[in-house]
Amino acid sequence: KAGVTQTPRYLIKTRGQQVTLSCSPISGHRSVSWYQQTPGQGLQFLFEYFSETQRNKGNFPGRFSGRQFSNSRSEMNVSTLELGDSALYLCASSPGLAGSFRYEQYFGPGTRLTVT
Amino acid sequence: AQTVTQSQPEMSVQEAETVTLSCTYDTSESDYYLFWYKQPPSRQMILVIRQEAYKQQNATENRFSVNFQKAAKSFSLKISDSQLGDAAMYFCAYRSFQGGSEKLVFGKGTKLTVNP
Repeated sequence: KAGVTQTPRYLIKTRGQQVTLSCSPISGHRSVSWYQQTPGQGLQFLFEYFSETQRNKGNFPGRFSGRQFSNSRSEMNVSTLELGDSALYLCASSPGLAGSFRYEQYFGPGTRLTVT
Repeated sequence: AQTVTQSQPEMSVQEAETVTLSCTYDTSESDYYLFWYKQPPSRQMILVIRQEAYKQQNATENRFSVNFQKAAKSFSLKISDSQLGDAAMYFCAYRSFQGGSEKLVFGKGTKLTVNP
């Protein structure tokens, strides 16, 4: 079974631009979560999508948004980029059903975003 | 809100010896899951071990075991017979499944160095 894939792996953008990151979950997984990883703040939860609906959201400004498609693939968008948005963005997938929440989230390799 | 604390930013161990990484958490929930994730320099986050809060028995996976003290809200990871490949960042994570959505809360991580 293929793992979680994220594209692109590396991205360089300029302040003020917007960016879209993509995540394809493991086949059959319906929940996709996004995390931001920085040296200072560590791993922080951005949001979780399940069956095309956002189920949970972390404490990030509205510039961070996401969506999920019917095939469970998810995209994350950051508008009006700031220098502080430079980070490794990780996505994770899991079955997402109440009866299966004992199972771990499987992580992708991440997208390294650099904002200059 | 749930919080996870890893009090050891860095640890080192000699190859073949044993090391214990500490983790404490704070929650008002009675049912939850705890995980230890490993992030090698390649950045792919992988699961090391999981513990269900309702289980008294400590989880074990080969050379990895946990000491789960629910009353003390402590969840330490013991690595026996340390190997060079164990060198990585280790993250303790709390999994909440409130209101039908799921979310991982991570500690800041412990960087483990294995000396030959």
